[in-house]
Amino acid sequence: QKEVEQNSGPLSVPEGAIASLNCTYSDRVSQSFFWYRQYSGKSPELIMSIYSNGDKEDGRFTAQLNKASQYVSLLIRDSQPSDSATYLCAVNRGSQGGSEKLVFGKGMKLTVNP
Amino acid sequence: DTGVSQDPRHKITKRGQNVTFRCDPISEHNRLYWYRQTLGQGPEFLTYFQNEAQLEKSRLLSDRFSAERPKGSFSTLEIQRTEQGDSAMYLCASSLAFLGVGNEQFFGPGTRLTVL
Repeated sequence: QKEVEQNSGPLSVPEGAIASLNCTYSDRVSQSFFWYRQYSGKSPELIMSIYSNGDKEDGRFTAQLNKASQYVSLLIRDSQPSDSATYLCAVNRGSQGGSEKLVFGKGMKLTVNP
Repeated sequence: DTGVSQDPRHKITKRGQNVTFRCDPISEHNRLYWYRQTLGQGPEFLTYFQNEAQLEKSRLLSDRFSAERPKGSFSTLEIQRTEQGDSAMYLCASSLAFLGVGNEQFFGPGTRLTVL
C-alpha cells in the first residue's frame, strides 16, 4: 500500500461545477495535510493546509479531513479554466511523529472545460 | 521577489559528470528541504536542514548525492558521477519551524536536470 494515494484521474469538469479531489494516507501518525497545485512544467504551489478534523474553507477551496478514516479531500467550487492543473496531496508526520518530510501522492490532473 | 530561488533553472550534462545546484530559501525560514520529481510522480523527499544541521536523509539519497547548508542560509545539492536515472526536476522548499503542527513548505521553481 502506498503511503499517500490519490485517484488516478484525470478529472474533467465543466466551468462553474464543483471539482472533488480525494486522498487517503496510511500513516496514522500523520499530523499535517496539504494540497498543492502544480501547473505543467512548474513547481508545486501550496493552496491549502489542514490539521484538525473537519472542514477548512478558503475562498473557492474547501479542504476536509477525517483522521479516523485517514482521508483528506479538496473541493473546488465554481471551477474555472485557470484551475486546470495537477493537484498533489501531501502529508507530514511533524515533530511529534519524528519526521518533517512531506510525503506526496502521485497527483490528480484536473481539466476545467469552458 | 522574496520567494525561494534556485539556480540554475536548467542543467544538461553528460553521464559521469558532477553537477551542483543552489537554493536560496525565503529569508526568515530556518528549514530547507530538497525533493526530486520525475514525470507523472509526486515529489520525493531527499533531505532537510534546520539551520546548518542536516536532520533527515532519505534512503533514496545515495552516496553520490551530498547536500550542505554551511551558514544556515543557502544550500547546495551536489550529484557526483551523474547517471541517466538522475534526470528529474530537483525542487527546493523552505519553511519556518515552530512548535506543534504546521510546517507549511514553499517550493522554489526547481532545477531541471537532463543527463545525456
